[in-house]
Amino acid sequence: EVVMTQSPATLSVSPGVGATLSCRASQNIGSNLAWYQQRPGQAPRLLIYGASTRASGIPARFSGSGSGTEFTLTISGLQSEDFAVYYCQQYNNWPGWTFGQGTKVEVK
Amino acid sequence: EVQLVESGGGLVQPGGSLRLSCAASGFMFSRYWMSWVRQAPGKGLEWVANIKIDGSGENYVDSVRGRFIISRDNAKNSLYLQLNNVRAEDTAVYYCAREMQTAAGPFDYWGLGILVTVSS
Repeated sequence: EVVMTQSPATLSVSPGVGATLSCRASQNIGSNLAWYQQRPGQAPRLLIYGASTRASGIPARFSGSGSGTEFTLTISGLQSEDFAVYYCQQYNNWPGWTFGQGTKVEVK
Repeated sequence: EVQLVESGGGLVQPGGSLRLSCAASGFMFSRYWMSWVRQAPGKGLEWVANIKIDGSGENYVDSVRGRFIISRDNAKNSLYLQLNNVRAEDTAVYYCAREMQTAAGPFDYWGLGILVTVSS
């Protein structure tokens, strides 16, 4: 099983400032990585797939990068609706898609 | 508009059974792999199972293999998850999710989720 490790667990950021979230895979997963946003009481929403491709309707302030075992989600100019929990997910090793434990982005 | 609506959750005793359903609309259901993903209270996401477009193959996470059964009815645009011999650790919100057509794995649409509570 591929273990996904996200850091930090919690990120305290002021509105309007940027944020960088990290995700590490326990083995090489190429670019087969997705990022999701989950607001309280809501279902997850796909932000990024293929490590760097924004999903339909996702604002340009969200960007993803990385390949192999190290990945990053960058949010530039945090808006109020961006304070949420973010998960990475690998879909390279079959069977068994696995998620990271999540990073909570909170208001500083 | 793509919609996924789960139903069938509730309270079940340890060792009991429950069947979850997911009604899909707004897209060609028969052309997509479908998954169930769960989230224990206050915890992260865990992929549970998925099923091929024609129902001819399924995959499960180790913790539920042999106890849960995923199935689909393309004529009814519906996805199902039969939960058998449930345990306390199966308590979670269960989401129905569509896997992307162009890249199997990412989930581009999710239902609102349905809560399953395993308790005596």
